[in-house]
Amino acid sequence: SAVISQKPSRDICQRGTSLTIQCQVDSQVTMMFWYRQQPGQSLTLIATANQGSEATYESGFVIDKFPISRPNLTFSTLTVSNMSPEDSSIYLCSARTGSREQYFGPGTRLTVT
Amino acid sequence: GESVGLHLPTLSVQEGDNSIINCAYSNSASDYFIWYKQESGKGPQFIIDIRSNMDKRQGQRVTVLLNKTVKHLSLQIAATQPGDSAVYFCAEMGYGGATNKLIFGTGTLLAVQP
Repeated sequence: SAVISQKPSRDICQRGTSLTIQCQVDSQVTMMFWYRQQPGQSLTLIATANQGSEATYESGFVIDKFPISRPNLTFSTLTVSNMSPEDSSIYLCSARTGSREQYFGPGTRLTVT
Repeated sequence: GESVGLHLPTLSVQEGDNSIINCAYSNSASDYFIWYKQESGKGPQFIIDIRSNMDKRQGQRVTVLLNKTVKHLSLQIAATQPGDSAVYFCAEMGYGGATNKLIFGTGTLLAVQP
């Protein structure tokens, strides 16, 4: 298994600012991902964080809005840029092990005012 | 497009009864499935997984059944407890290329009545 931590756990931000969310995994994993979850809804994949190269974004998500870094096998960051109230959501980091099991962090609850 | 859906958005059961949460998937290329439990204010918690070469897998108080013929997945929870109250998601994954992403269903809220 993999234990994932995220910082911050929650934040309230002003429109137009940016927030960087950090994700740390307790062991080396093959793949890391970032998801978004609106309250009461399912999870939507934002992007796959690739180690040492640009992230792979899903349809509807772009690098300028959600820049992602993954400098090593256990750490990744997601930045939510130029925030608007529509970006208010829960952002979840996820990691996949070699056996394809995929685990999630506790989430970062973002409110944009 | 491919999707994973759940038959029942809300399931209410009595404490001590068995719970069955169902899930339908549409991508025949999916060969790996995971059930997650998400409690309020927390991230999804890995419960149990199953690969397509299996029909059934058991864990502690939980059993997952896979019917590839009708593309159906179910999670059975034995002797349901108040601590089982949560939203349950099924998720599917293929192998390689665009199918190598974990796709989530819509979720089922399990409410355990004391």
